[in-house]
Order: sequence, then structure tokens, then C-alpha cells
Amino acid sequence: QKEVEQDPGPLSVPEGAIVSLNCTYSNSAFQYFMWYRQYSRKGPELLMYTYSSGNKEDGRFTAQVDKSSKYISLFIRDSQPSDSATYLCAMSDNNAGNMLTFGGGTRLMVKP
Amino acid sequence: EAQVTQNPRYLITVTGKKLTVTCSQNMNHEYMSWYRQDPGLGLRQIYYSMNVEVTDKGDVPEGYKVSRKEKRNFPLILESPSPNQTSLYFCASSLSSDRASTDTQYFGPGTRLTVL
Repeated sequence: QKEVEQDPGPLSVPEGAIVSLNCTYSNSAFQYFMWYRQYSRKGPELLMYTYSSGNKEDGRFTAQVDKSSKYISLFIRDSQPSDSATYLCAMSDNNAGNMLTFGGGTRLMVKP
Repeated sequence: EAQVTQNPRYLITVTGKKLTVTCSQNMNHEYMSWYRQDPGLGLRQIYYSMNVEVTDKGDVPEGYKVSRKEKRNFPLILESPSPNQTSLYFCASSLSSDRASTDTQYFGPGTRLTVL
């Protein structure tokens, strides 16, 4: 079993929909939770990070962490075709950049 | 322009022929890292460096070497490549090693390597 599980998709939604992307994990030591967005043929870019449990909002994006269930989510409101990309969750038990564990990524397609 | 560059972008080689993938950043970043990306497996960290002359193994270091002689460069060396090292490789850097997990990591454009 992988340490971080993520549904690969593809997830296809109409423009304007609310998108929910999720990851589950098994390592209870993880404290830092990140979401990356990767456009085709590009490197990933950090969208948001959350420390420990709770919610964090940034514009149309909301990240949620439920440590008791070992479950994290990224919500995208009013989705746009430009949100079409692969979304990767990542997590770590420290902030020192080592042993960052990524999920396999979920491919999202937002149709006009 | 602030960026991370990688060369070559595409490489096809044969088993056992030593190769180096270069990575350079112009942002005076402390932290640099190499990842490989394989379908369904996401990114896996190969090696990382907290600063000049400070490197350490990531998740999948076997078959790879790195060096950090200067702050801006972090080459990835495959001494004897094998077909299971066929992958998409990304170099990344971030400003501070203390916050490297949550700071913005700037990724290079990727190097697609095929080992026959």
C-alpha cells in the first residue's frame, strides 16, 4: 500500500462546478500538507500548504486537513478551464524539505 | 528572469553509459532537490541539498549521485544508467532550507530520460 493515495482520475467537470480533490495517507507523523498544480509538460507549482489540521482558504481554493481520518482535500470553487491540470498532494513530517511524499496526482479537466 | 534550468530536456541513451543532467538556479536559493516522476507514482525525491557541500538521500537514491560545489548548480549523475531509470526528472529549488517543504519550490522544466 502506498503511503499517500490519490485517485488518478481523470475528473471531468463543467465550468463553474465545485471540484473536490482528495488524498488519504497512512503516516500519522505527517504535519505539513501541500497541494501542487502541474500543467501538461511543465513542472509542478505550489498552490497551498496547511500545517496540521484545519482549513485554509486562498481565493477560489480551500485546503482541508483531517488528521484524525488521515484525509486531506482541496476544493476549487467556480472552476475554470484554466484550472485543467494534474493536482498533486504532498506531505511531510518536517519543514526541512526532505522526505516530501507525493500522491500520484489527479488529472482534472474543466470543460467550457 | 528568475528560473531553474535543466539540460538536456530530452535524452535517449543506452544502458551503462554515464550521463549528467545539469540543474542551475539564478535565485540564490539555499535548497535544491531532484525528483523523478513516473505515471501513477507522483514525484519521488532522489536527493536534496540544504546548501553548498551539504547533500542527502531522498526516497529513491539508488543509482544516482549528486554534488553541490556551487550554490547555483546541482547536477544529477547516473554512473551506469539502467532501463528502470527511464523517467521524467525535475530539479527544484527554494529560498530557505528551514522551510523547504512549505516554501514555494521552483521547478525546472523537466528532463525526459529514456535508457535503452
